[in-house]
Amino acid sequence: AQSVTQLDSQVPVFEEAPVELRCNYSSSVSVYLFWYVQYPNQGLQLLLKYLSGSTLVKGINGFEAEFNKSQTSFHLRKPSVHISDTAEYFCAVRGANAGGTSYGKLTFGQGTILTVHP
Amino acid sequence: EPEVTQTPSHQVTQMGQEVILRCVPISNHLYFYWYRQILGQKVEFLVSFYNNEISEKSEIFDDQFSVERPDGSNFTLKIRSTKLEDSAMYFCASTRGGSQPQHFGDGTRLSIL
Repeated sequence: AQSVTQLDSQVPVFEEAPVELRCNYSSSVSVYLFWYVQYPNQGLQLLLKYLSGSTLVKGINGFEAEFNKSQTSFHLRKPSVHISDTAEYFCAVRGANAGGTSYGKLTFGQGTILTVHP
Repeated sequence: EPEVTQTPSHQVTQMGQEVILRCVPISNHLYFYWYRQILGQKVEFLVSFYNNEISEKSEIFDDQFSVERPDGSNFTLKIRSTKLEDSAMYFCASTRGGSQPQHFGDGTRLSIL
């Protein structure tokens, strides 16, 4: 079983400032990690994913995340945010061996609401 | 780019009534999922479906819930006798499998009165 903790429920920042949204996970097996974004009245859109290889992954809209296995973290960063980045961000994890008893279900964190102020 | 589509976007139903939420997954995807998000809470896994059968379900997915893929394109979630606590946003997702990420629809907001 996996669990995900997003340490900040709300993060307010000013436009063009850097931002980091924190995510920690726990799992007894190897995992794949994802960040999704949810704009108001919309579904979940994939921002980026970590499957294997380089621990720094880049996604859409200038976001990136770094997988840290020793700290079981997958923090999301953006060097300069825009007003349009205002949304809720979800970190999610699934077991990497989806051919076993888990058919790839995602376990989500509580979400972090990012509000970008002018 | 192909999308997962869900209908209706908003469903209002009286408690005790049956409701069917509909989803059209991406056409070449093989694994299908339902999740729900109660207002202010986490997105929670309900059920996964592969090869025309349920592959995994959560504790939430009790006997009042069922899923079906009635034809080659639709994937439905039925709630037989709705309760107030079933009010939530329900998301459908699909993936080709392996390490591929899940693609989500825009959700159906279910309101039970």
